[in-house]
Amino acid sequence: KQEVTQIPAALSVPEGENLVLNCSFTDSAIYNLQWFRQDPGKGLTSLLLIQSSQREQTSGRLNASLDKSSGRSTLYIAASQPGDSATYLCAAYRGSGGGADGLTFGKGTHLIIQP
Amino acid sequence: EPEVTQTPSHQVTQMGQEVILRCVPISNHLYFYWYRQILGQKVEFLVSFYNNEISEKSEIFDDQFSVERPDGSNFTLKIRSTKLEDSAMYFCASSRGQSGNTIYFGEGSWLTVV
Repeated sequence: KQEVTQIPAALSVPEGENLVLNCSFTDSAIYNLQWFRQDPGKGLTSLLLIQSSQREQTSGRLNASLDKSSGRSTLYIAASQPGDSATYLCAAYRGSGGGADGLTFGKGTHLIIQP
Repeated sequence: EPEVTQTPSHQVTQMGQEVILRCVPISNHLYFYWYRQILGQKVEFLVSFYNNEISEKSEIFDDQFSVERPDGSNFTLKIRSTKLEDSAMYFCASSRGQSGNTIYFGEGSWLTVV
């Protein structure tokens, strides 16, 4: 059964810093991995989707990498801003064939950017 | 930008009652999902739906739950005989395809069972 772990659970940094959020998964047979942002009491906003054949994806100040062999993904946020404060979730998708799948989520990293 | 919309945003129900949570997926999407998040816990997959039938479901999605697409736009989750432990945020989501496609989530319906 897939398990997704995110480290750290919480992170507080001053505005302007570059930072890295980590995600690890136990089953490397994933089809893709998706990073989400969740604001308090709100839904999930998709940030980046990395296919299993890709090594990284970029969107603006965000860059996500994927290393299937080691079961790791990272989300890099450049020049952090107070508006980046949120919980960041990673989710692995195993793909069809083999029972109940859907996305398997980590518990998230709660990020606070200090002005 | 198209979005997944959910109603109600918050519902309080008595234990043992039935609730229906409603969702309007993005219009050209073909796959629909329900997830839930119990307060302080991980987001968990409940069920996926394609071509008017359940595609996959988790062990959480037992006989207490059912899904339906009653018309061309709505996608519903019915919870029968609600229990205290059903209190959670329920997220509807949709995607254009299944594999390799971004899954878009709604804002959630917060269900409180008292």
